[in-house]
Amino acid sequence: GDSVTQMEGPVTLSEEACLTINCTYTATGYPSLFWYVQYPGEGLQLLLKATKADDKGSNKGFEATYRKETTSFHLEKGSVQVSDSAVYFCALSSFSGGYNKLIFGAGTRLAVHP
Amino acid sequence: DGGITQSPKYLFRKEGQNVTLSCEQNLNHDAMYWYRQDPGQGLRLIYYSQIVNDFQKGDIAEGYSVSREKKESFPLTVTSAQKNPTAFYLCASSNSQFSYNEQFFGPGTRLTVL
Repeated sequence: GDSVTQMEGPVTLSEEACLTINCTYTATGYPSLFWYVQYPGEGLQLLLKATKADDKGSNKGFEATYRKETTSFHLEKGSVQVSDSAVYFCALSSFSGGYNKLIFGAGTRLAVHP
Repeated sequence: DGGITQSPKYLFRKEGQNVTLSCEQNLNHDAMYWYRQDPGQGLRLIYYSQIVNDFQKGDIAEGYSVSREKKESFPLTVTSAQKNPTAFYLCASSNSQFSYNEQFFGPGTRLTVL
């Protein structure tokens, strides 16, 4: 079945460092891909998305490109801030069995220190 | 402001008791979902509903029940049959069945069984 694999955390960075969180997926068909962020004690917020191959999603300085050839959707940011500390989830959405299903990776915790 | 509300934020239950978690949305979304999140893990789908008076089991429905009598509301009951109910529960909704539409999440309810 469809699945998402993310790099394990925690990822610990200093402020202004570069961030990459790897995400690869296995899917039949043509899924949409998402990055969600979860701050402590809160629900998930959509960070960015891409709906077809070679699309680049971007938001708040974060970017991710839908790479069909490598089945990847890595999250990147050029300069992280302390406020970026959170758990990041990669997810794919496929329409199967009559409904829109989201499949999540296990999440990657990011800790940014001043 | 449109959004999803979940109540209560924290819930404590004695073993053997049923408990109902509330989820309300004013986004006019047709589809609603319930997820369970355990520490260090991704989200797992419990139940979903695409329209009023219809719902389907997700990946881990055993020990849970839902109803969808109104478009805005999708309450989840955690029954005494659920062997390990302590977890963070997230409700979500989406605009349509299409895979490119993201799901919007509520703030979550943390359930602890004493």
